[in-house]
Amino acid sequence: GENVEQHPSTLSVQEGDSAVIKCTYSDSASNYFPWYKQELGKGPQLIIDIRSNVGEKKDQRIAVTLNKTAKHFSLHITETQPEDSAVYFCAASTGGFKTIFGAGTRLFVKA
Amino acid sequence: NAGVTQTPKFRILKIGQSMTLQCAQDMNHNYMYWYRQDPGMGLKLIYYSVGAGITDKGEVPNGYNVSRSTTEDFPLRLELAAPSQTSVYFCASSSPAGWGLNTEAFFGQGTRLTVV
Repeated sequence: GENVEQHPSTLSVQEGDSAVIKCTYSDSASNYFPWYKQELGKGPQLIIDIRSNVGEKKDQRIAVTLNKTAKHFSLHITETQPEDSAVYFCAASTGGFKTIFGAGTRLFVKA
Repeated sequence: NAGVTQTPKFRILKIGQSMTLQCAQDMNHNYMYWYRQDPGMGLKLIYYSVGAGITDKGEVPNGYNVSRSTTEDFPLRLELAAPSQTSVYFCASSSPAGWGLNTEAFFGQGTRLTVV
């Protein structure tokens, strides 16, 4: 069946460094790719999303890139801060109601 | 502006007991979802609803039931709880931008359920 693979499962960076999380999806019909941040004890919250007709999107320190040919998309966080520490989930959606989530990446930003 | 509200936040059930997880949203979203999150795993869709009176199964529906009598509420029912249902449950809602165009899902804070 369709799946989304997310790597790495854990990422530790020094404050100020960049963090990159990568996802690969299997369903070529996927057209919407959101990224969610989940802080301890809370529900996931959208931080950025991209649609299949766009290759890159930026929002301040966060950027997402999409390579539809390779079925690959990535989250880039620059100038990381301790408050960026959380679990990050990628997801791929075909529209309709099918959204497949990756397993998550636990990001630690060391001060 | 409450968003998506889930109750309870925590619950311990004995094997074979039943319970209902409550979910309400005040954003007038048509679409609502129930997910479960197991340690080290992504979110798995249990059930979803596209509007009042309409529900459908997701990836892992066995052992659960839902109803959607109003736009705002989407309760999840567990019958005959089993240890395999120990998980964190999230309710979410969204409002698609158009046909086939998904948009952001808004999540509740979750219900941590333990079945012993």
